[in-house]
Amino acid sequence: GAGVSQSPSNKVTEKGKDVELRCDPISGHTALYWYRQSLGQGLEFLIYFQGNSAPDKSGLPSDRFSAERTGGSVSTLTIQRTQQEDSAVYLCASSLFGDGGSYEQYFGPGTRLTVT
Amino acid sequence: GQNIDQPTEMTATEGAIVQINCTYQTSGFNGLFWYQQHAGEAPTFLSYNVLDGLEEKGRFSSFLSRSKGYSYLLLKELQMKDSASYLCAVKDSNYQLIWGAGTKLIIKP
Repeated sequence: GAGVSQSPSNKVTEKGKDVELRCDPISGHTALYWYRQSLGQGLEFLIYFQGNSAPDKSGLPSDRFSAERTGGSVSTLTIQRTQQEDSAVYLCASSLFGDGGSYEQYFGPGTRLTVT
Repeated sequence: GQNIDQPTEMTATEGAIVQINCTYQTSGFNGLFWYQQHAGEAPTFLSYNVLDGLEEKGRFSSFLSRSKGYSYLLLKELQMKDSASYLCAVKDSNYQLIWGAGTKLIIKP
């Protein structure tokens, strides 16, 4: 079956512009996660959606970052007024459930964002 | 605070065995995951431990000791394709995954 997909795969933008990154999770997966990974670094948690519950936004680094998940499926991460330090690979992951159990996360290929 | 510790980098020889350690201090425990990440690619799931002991899956095994806050990933019969970063992650009491920074494994012929 289809895995997690993300678009675009690469995005180059000028400082100060807004960007939108898209994630299509695996069909039927109720949990969706956004992470950020800088070169050679570990995963930085950004936001987590579980079903219809209010999202866990505790990892968003500033109010320039926001995300939504429409209809419990597709998610969009928006970064307003981008800064050079926002340059990173943005990874989306989904799992069957977020709470409990051994539900592993399946990752998309990521969006490499470069802010010039 | 919550913390996951792994070595930054390890080197091993093709055909040999390597053990990658992970220690954790988290608010609660709901399981430990190991993921593999090749350079420029997304992480892929390797193993999950929630009870103490060893879980074996082909050339890869993962061990957990909850009382010690310790896990290791054991890779046997190393192949060049095993060169990658290995990420340890723990689900805390809120079922949030806390990630380590990863261990870069370099395999030499």
